[in-house]
Amino acid sequence: DTGVSQNPRHKITKRGQNVTFRCDPISEHNRLYWYRQTLGQGPEFLTYFQNEAQLEKSRLLSDRFSAERPKGSFSTLEIQRTEQGDSAMYLCASSFSGGLGFFGPGTRLTVL
Amino acid sequence: GIQVEQSPPDLILQEGANSTLRCNFSDSVNNLQWFHQNPWGQLINLFYIPSGTKQNGRLSATTVATERYSLLYISSSQTTDSGVYFCAVYNNAGNMLTFGGGTRLMVKP
Repeated sequence: DTGVSQNPRHKITKRGQNVTFRCDPISEHNRLYWYRQTLGQGPEFLTYFQNEAQLEKSRLLSDRFSAERPKGSFSTLEIQRTEQGDSAMYLCASSFSGGLGFFGPGTRLTVL
Repeated sequence: GIQVEQSPPDLILQEGANSTLRCNFSDSVNNLQWFHQNPWGQLINLFYIPSGTKQNGRLSATTVATERYSLLYISSSQTTDSGVYFCAVYNNAGNMLTFGGGTRLMVKP
């Protein structure tokens, strides 16, 4: 068990560019979650997958955001046409159904 | 949705002091976790505690689900305890965590 990993750890981009983040969950965990954390706030739920199915999406997830989890393993979160308001820490977590959630180290996005 | 409030928002302690952090939630919940977020942003699991009391070294937590609150106790604080402590609750389906705003703790030597 190597824990949840996320790449890249930091990303600086210019407004209007597209970015993609990757999350590798703990192996055998069937649930995977994405959260966003802005400075001074607690993490906010974005979306979650049970295996490869995306079962819940927050209203925070605008149409510029898309998440996938092909084959129920790793997941990607893409943000198109980034805006300065997208600057945040993007956190991934995984768990068994109804079990303890484990978080990755996060990807810190800065949009200039 | 569920509302989670934490108090105090900020806390400064002298090394060796004890403290109690509180988490109130607005509705019945499936479960509750306490996390410590280190300066690099990593969320570290402290407790998974739907009810009752658990202890781990100098830390302990108590959740009273019927009264919709949880407490985190830190005894004999150390400078390495500094950081942000989050309480997060699961909805009844157990598929979403809602976080409180956190308690920012600074322990001075």
